[in-house]
Amino acid sequence: EAGVTQFPSHSVIEKGQTVTLRCDPISGHDNLYWYRRVMGKEIKFLLHFVKESKQDESGMPNNRFLAERTGGTYSTLKVQPAELEDSGVYFCASSQGARGSPLHFGNGTRLTVT
Amino acid sequence: GNSVTQMEGPVTLSEEAFLTINCTYTATGYPSLFWYVQYPGEGLQLLLKATKADDKGSNKGFEATYRKETTSFHLEKGSVQVSDSAVYFCALSDLPGNTGKLIFGQGTTLQVKP
Repeated sequence: EAGVTQFPSHSVIEKGQTVTLRCDPISGHDNLYWYRRVMGKEIKFLLHFVKESKQDESGMPNNRFLAERTGGTYSTLKVQPAELEDSGVYFCASSQGARGSPLHFGNGTRLTVT
Repeated sequence: GNSVTQMEGPVTLSEEAFLTINCTYTATGYPSLFWYVQYPGEGLQLLLKATKADDKGSNKGFEATYRKETTSFHLEKGSVQVSDSAVYFCALSDLPGNTGKLIFGQGTTLQVKP
């Protein structure tokens, strides 16, 4: 079984540019989560999809961040325009629909905004 | 709000030494508690969990006991190996049945020297 895959693994962009991160969850996993770790601090929740619907986006920092999950498969997280404080590692995780199912994390995308 | 606090790292130990990584939490109700581990170049993996007071989670020689009276979930291992070198994250979930939305601590880097 393929794990959660994220692309790209690294991205370096300039302030003001746009970046799109992609996450492919494990096939059949209805739940998809985005998290972010900034500057070696704690990992923070961004949002949660159930299939194609946003279940909880309470952690999205501002309207420069847009997440989508068309068709309930892969998800994208777009940052537009990027700011310096957006630098960090963005993690995606997925789980099955059953209550209490374990989370499976991707390796993360390291975003550097210069 | 709910939060998780971990001891600051890095922690450097010699092989076969005893390991303790402290974790305390603040939460209303009865959260589930987790330890995740991130090995170099990989995503986070669930190491162990406990869902109620006095539960002990264990895996790969690691243990942690859910102590409600001290609001703690300290991670221990009797004899560490070089292969245990990683970043360890303590986390909680305060949503019944949804263990995907997690509140993480800042992570503790463990380096084990031969």
